[in-house]
Amino acid sequence: AQKVTQAQTEISVVEKEDVTLDCVYETRDTTYYLFWYKQPPSGELVFLIRRNSFDEQNEISGRYSWNFQKSTSSFNFTITASQVVDSAVYFCALSVFTGNQFYFGTGTSLTVIP
Amino acid sequence: EAQVTQNPRYLITVTGKKLTVTCSQNMNHEYMSWYRQDPGLGLRQIYYSMNVEVTDKGDVPEGYKVSRKEKRNFPLILESPSPNQTSLYFCASGASTDTQYFGPGTRLTVL
Repeated sequence: AQKVTQAQTEISVVEKEDVTLDCVYETRDTTYYLFWYKQPPSGELVFLIRRNSFDEQNEISGRYSWNFQKSTSSFNFTITASQVVDSAVYFCALSVFTGNQFYFGTGTSLTVIP
Repeated sequence: EAQVTQNPRYLITVTGKKLTVTCSQNMNHEYMSWYRQDPGLGLRQIYYSMNVEVTDKGDVPEGYKVSRKEKRNFPLILESPSPNQTSLYFCASGASTDTQYFGPGTRLTVL
């Protein structure tokens, strides 16, 4: 069975602080994809990143970076120098190659205080 | 513009009154899916479709129906809505299960 756990329900940081959102996944499949989505207060779901299970290289995109570690089944997301516009709910998700479903975590609500 | 559209965006209805939420994509995607989002539960998959005339249950299919007669459309049908189906619904599409693009969401209230 597949599962995604986002243990942090809510996080508050002061603007310009760095913040890391944790994501732990469970699967027995060796081929899978991991995702992060952002849901701002307006409600839409915005795709941020996809990583496949064979690519453990960390990725950086501007102030965003992702750390994928298969050894700990984690796919953590760091925002550097947070801004008020980063305030949103962030979801981590998993899909496996042998199945056709997506599995989402329960989300982490990030509030950046000016 | 590549997009997934859902209609209506907001709907208030009463228990037992059949309703359909439409979903359409213009990206020629084979994979389409419906989710519901509830506080504290994240997004849960209701149904998905790998292609025309191919649909499968997700984790929470009870009380819902879907159809995929055309590649671009994937309507969600609630034959007899109940208050526990009050939720925020998202449709999504993708070329396969390696990516999904989401519609704007439909907020449904069942009284």
